[in-house]
Amino acid sequence: QSVVTQPPSVSGAPGQRVTISCTGSSSNIGAGYDVHWYQQFPGTVPKLVLDGNNNRPSGVPDRFSGSRSGTSASLAITGLQAADEADYYCQSYDSGLRGSVFGGGTKLTVL
Amino acid sequence: QVQLVQSGAEVKKAGSSVKVSCKASGGTFSRYATSWVRQAPGQGLEWMGGIIPVSGTARYTQKFQGRVTITADESTSTAYMELSSLRSEDTAVYFCARSRVSGSYLGGFDYWGQGTLVTVSS
Repeated sequence: QSVVTQPPSVSGAPGQRVTISCTGSSSNIGAGYDVHWYQQFPGTVPKLVLDGNNNRPSGVPDRFSGSRSGTSASLAITGLQAADEADYYCQSYDSGLRGSVFGGGTKLTVL
Repeated sequence: QVQLVQSGAEVKKAGSSVKVSCKASGGTFSRYATSWVRQAPGQGLEWMGGIIPVSGTARYTQKFQGRVTITADESTSTAYMELSSLRSEDTAVYFCARSRVSGSYLGGFDYWGQGTLVTVSS
């Protein structure tokens, strides 16, 4: 059981906007620690798509954006494409655990 | 460009230990935290612990405390993760990953090793 939770799956049609939530607690997201998001295709290495809530590494399209409120954060993907179909993970720091925590992951299906 | 290259796949017996290496090139190794993240088959990512080489002190998540040892050799820019008392549930791909923020565990992981599959058999 992860201390940070995500929905197991979300789906959307091409061109639509989807959001993936990431719910933590007062010792991680609620404490103001940055939330990072990763994209992972089957059998590949995770790729950082958002760093520190809303900073996109070079090469990540601006269709990916992040937001946060209280103990939660969200990843939004607009203009959904078939190539976006992947697993997405949020990650933050937890002061109680003194280390990183990952959400359980969300499988994005493009219909 | 930073590259992290991990050692090859391992097959181990239950009860034994495994040591995985992660050699960094192309960047400043000592000041950036190198973490170890594992992923069991069909499962999510799990942070095991990390080390900031210049500090020499590692941190571990409670789940693995006592079974995992993370070290770093600044002279070769290599980090190591040793997991002992292996059981079948430890069968997973083990990744090393570098934090984006110097001297901190707070940043996202911008560089990852290719992963090392560790298979534990009974």
